[in-house]
Amino acid sequence: GDSVTQMEGPVTLSEEAFLTINCTYTATGYPSLFWYVQYPGEGLQLLLKATKADDKGSNKGFEATYRKETTSFHLEKGSVQVSDSAVYFCALGRTSGTYKYIFGTGTRLKVLA
Amino acid sequence: DADVTQTPRNRITKTGKRIMLECSQTKGHDRMYWYRQDPGLGLRLIYYSFDVKDINKGEISDGYSVSRQAQAKFSLSLESAIPNQTALYFCATSDGTPRSNQPQHFGDGTRLSIL
Repeated sequence: GDSVTQMEGPVTLSEEAFLTINCTYTATGYPSLFWYVQYPGEGLQLLLKATKADDKGSNKGFEATYRKETTSFHLEKGSVQVSDSAVYFCALGRTSGTYKYIFGTGTRLKVLA
Repeated sequence: DADVTQTPRNRITKTGKRIMLECSQTKGHDRMYWYRQDPGLGLRLIYYSFDVKDINKGEISDGYSVSRQAQAKFSLSLESAIPNQTALYFCATSDGTPRSNQPQHFGDGTRLSIL
């Protein structure tokens, strides 16, 4: 069945460091891919999305490229800030059969000043 | 006001009690979902509804039931709560016709503790 695998955390970085959070997926058809962010005490918020191969989603300095050949959607940011500390979830939206979402287990990011 | 509102935000109750978690939305979306979040397990789908007359089980529906009272309201019930249902529960909505790929919109969650 469809699945999403993302790197385990926690990830601890110093402010202004480069961030990569890996995400790979298994899916039939052509899913859409999403990154969500969850700040403490809040629900998940959409960070970015990509709906087809080679699309690049971007928002707030974060980027991720839909790589069909490697079935990956890695999240990157060139210079993290303390305010980026949160849990990040990779997810896919399946369009074949019954449409619903599948989430990764989340990666906690802690950025130190 | 929040687009997706969950009540209560926190609840502590005892084993065997019946509990209802409520979700309402002002986004006008047809699709609504209930998830639970557990450390290390991410989000797991409990139930989802694509319209008022359409209710579907998710991957972990045992011990839960739902009611879609209106397009804007979707409640989750635990008929007889047990301690391993202690978790953070999220309601979400999404828009979309079949084959669309719209993101979900989440409430702020209900933290449920069962003693």
